[in-house]
Amino acid sequence: DAGITQSPRYKITETGRQVTLMCHQTWSHSYMFWYRQDLGHGLRLIYYSAAADITDKGEVPDGYVVSRSKTENFPLTLESATRSQTSVYFCASSEGQASYNEQFFGPGTRLTVL
Amino acid sequence: DAKTTQPTSMDCAEGRAANLPCNHSTISGNEYVYWYRQIHSQGPQYIIHGLKNNETNEMASLIITEDRKSSTLILPHATLRDTAVYYCIVRAYTGTASKLTFGTGTRLQVTL
Repeated sequence: DAGITQSPRYKITETGRQVTLMCHQTWSHSYMFWYRQDLGHGLRLIYYSAAADITDKGEVPDGYVVSRSKTENFPLTLESATRSQTSVYFCASSEGQASYNEQFFGPGTRLTVL
Repeated sequence: DAKTTQPTSMDCAEGRAANLPCNHSTISGNEYVYWYRQIHSQGPQYIIHGLKNNETNEMASLIITEDRKSSTLILPHATLRDTAVYYCIVRAYTGTASKLTFGTGTRLQVTL
């Protein structure tokens, strides 16, 4: 199906382990984004990408790594997970960067770090 | 991006119009008003956006005041499935990345 998908939808891991969250979109959108959502904070931007091989930090990038070797994929890696990274993670994509380009969100990944 | 102020929560009877206000008194001339909603446990969903004219689509209407300092999202015939958190976002083209900044939104409860 066309759209934006995330996997896994749920993940439980332990402190110190590496975890990769996957995001895939079928629209060939140039821009992709990773947000995290925690109670009391709304959604906060972690990283974004303007195109393949172009990434940049958002509001809360520490502890995360991203890559974008293909336009349609934008994986987010927690190199050494910490309990504070327990959150719901949303991926989004957008056709362009202009203010009139809406962002389309995936269903989210609920990550628990024990 | 300019800050927005929304009521924390609102109730609406099913079948009635839901009018969700948003204050954005510091909005700049190049900033758009966006509305998203988030139904429990799902990703945010785009609803509508506008610059200065009123806008309407299949989901909702957006009314922006003439001075652009506030706006109202109107769901003309609310249903139980419209129960969600609604986010009003003011967004400008920055030349680098026009990212969204979500606040805490308005929790709309539609009741029978």
